[in-house]
Amino acid sequence: SQKIEQNSEALNIQEGKTATLTCNYTNYSPAYLQWYRQDPGRGPVFLLLIRENEKEKRKERLKVTFDTTLKQSLFHITASQPADSATYLCALGYGGTSYGKLTFGQGTILTVHP
Amino acid sequence: DTAVSQTPKYLVTQMGNDKSIKCEQNLGHDTMYWYKQDSKKFLKIMFSYNNKELIINETVPNRFSPKSPDKAHLNLHINSLELGDSAVYFCASSQEGTGSVQYFGPGTRLTVT
Repeated sequence: SQKIEQNSEALNIQEGKTATLTCNYTNYSPAYLQWYRQDPGRGPVFLLLIRENEKEKRKERLKVTFDTTLKQSLFHITASQPADSATYLCALGYGGTSYGKLTFGQGTILTVHP
Repeated sequence: DTAVSQTPKYLVTQMGNDKSIKCEQNLGHDTMYWYKQDSKKFLKIMFSYNNKELIINETVPNRFSPKSPDKAHLNLHINSLELGDSAVYFCASSQEGTGSVQYFGPGTRLTVT
């Protein structure tokens, strides 16, 4: 079965630095990969989508890369702010009859210190 | 306006009871989901409905039964609750299509004592 690992369970960085979160998977490559943000006591919120034929996507201070050879996605937050502190989840999706089924990683808790 | 809403927010009940969680979305989406997030924060899909039809049914005990009265609603009924059912349950919805973004509700924290 597919296994997804996000890098360290917790990541602490200083305000203004770039946070880099890793999502590794085994076995078969997904058709797409999504990143979500989850704040305590709330549901996940979508951030970025990248498809298997795309190498990189950007949105404001966020950037995601997708390397199907390494079976890895990197999620970057540049010029990080304390408000970026949250749990970040990567999720793999497959086409065909999977009907939007997402398989989530365990999440990385990001803390940005002032 | 809340896009995906769930009720109740908190649910505390005893083992053996039967309970339901309701979910409604006002986004006009065709697909709805139920996820379970355990104490280790793993978010795992349980069910998915598309146009009121069950599409995904992961390995979930048959004590869990989803019901979709219409496209905008997907309720979760749980019979004979067990301690291990304690978790946060999230409802989500999306448009049809590969890669569609999922919109999550605020979650229902179920505690079985």
